[in-house]
Amino acid sequence: AQKVTQAQTEISVVEKEDVTLDCVYETRDTTYYLFWYKQPPSGELVFLIRRNSFDEQNEISGRYSWNFQKSTSSFNFTITASQVVDSAVYFCALRYGGSNYKLTFGKGTLLTVNP
Amino acid sequence: KAGVTQTPRYLIKTRGQQVTLSCSPISGHRSVSWYQQTPGQGLQFLFEYFSETQRNKGNFPGRFSGRQFSNSRSEMNVSTLELGDSALYLCASSLVSVQDTQYFGPGTRLTVL
Repeated sequence: AQKVTQAQTEISVVEKEDVTLDCVYETRDTTYYLFWYKQPPSGELVFLIRRNSFDEQNEISGRYSWNFQKSTSSFNFTITASQVVDSAVYFCALRYGGSNYKLTFGKGTLLTVNP
Repeated sequence: KAGVTQTPRYLIKTRGQQVTLSCSPISGHRSVSWYQQTPGQGLQFLFEYFSETQRNKGNFPGRFSGRQFSNSRSEMNVSTLELGDSALYLCASSLVSVQDTQYFGPGTRLTVL
C-alpha cells in the first residue's frame, strides 16, 4: 500500500521568511515517482516538480528547492524568501512505477504568507 | 498550448439527480484521470482512461462512471446523487506512460442539495 504524510496541516510565515514543507511517503515499490502540486484558491492543481525514485539529486528552481532522501523516505519542499503569492495549499503525491496511474496524495499543507 | 479544460465549472444539483462532467485534455495527451476532492477525504482517485478504455479504477461505488472518446476527451457521470457527492472534481491529463506527469484542469465544483 502507498501512503503520503504531510504532517504540517497549516503554516503561517511572514513575507521573506524561508519555509519548508515536509513530505514523508511509504511504498514497497522500487520504482516510483514523487510530485509536488500547488493549489491556489482558484482550485486548479499546478504542477511544480516530479522526481523519479532512481534520481536522488536535489533540485532548485528559482526560490523553490526540493530535498529527496530515500533513506528517510522524505521529499521536502523549501521556499526561500517567501512571497504573498506563495500562499496556497501544497500537495505531495506518489505514484508507483507499475501500470496504475493513480496518484496518492497527502492531505496537503496550507501555507499562508503574510505581508 | 492550451491546458486541461473542464466544463461546467460550477454545478448545483439535488439529491437523486444525475450529472455529467466533461474534460478536454491537453492536445496530444491520451490519458485522462479523474479525482474527487473533499475537505474530509482529500484528493481521491476515481478512474483513468486511455484510448477509450478504463485502465484503472479507484474505490468508488458504481454510481460513478466515465468514458473517453476517440479524441481523448472524457466525461464522468454520477447517477443518483447523494449529499456526500458534493466536491471539487478534477480532471488530469498526461501523455502516455506512467512516467508522464499529470496536468490538472481547474475542476468542476459540484454542490448537491
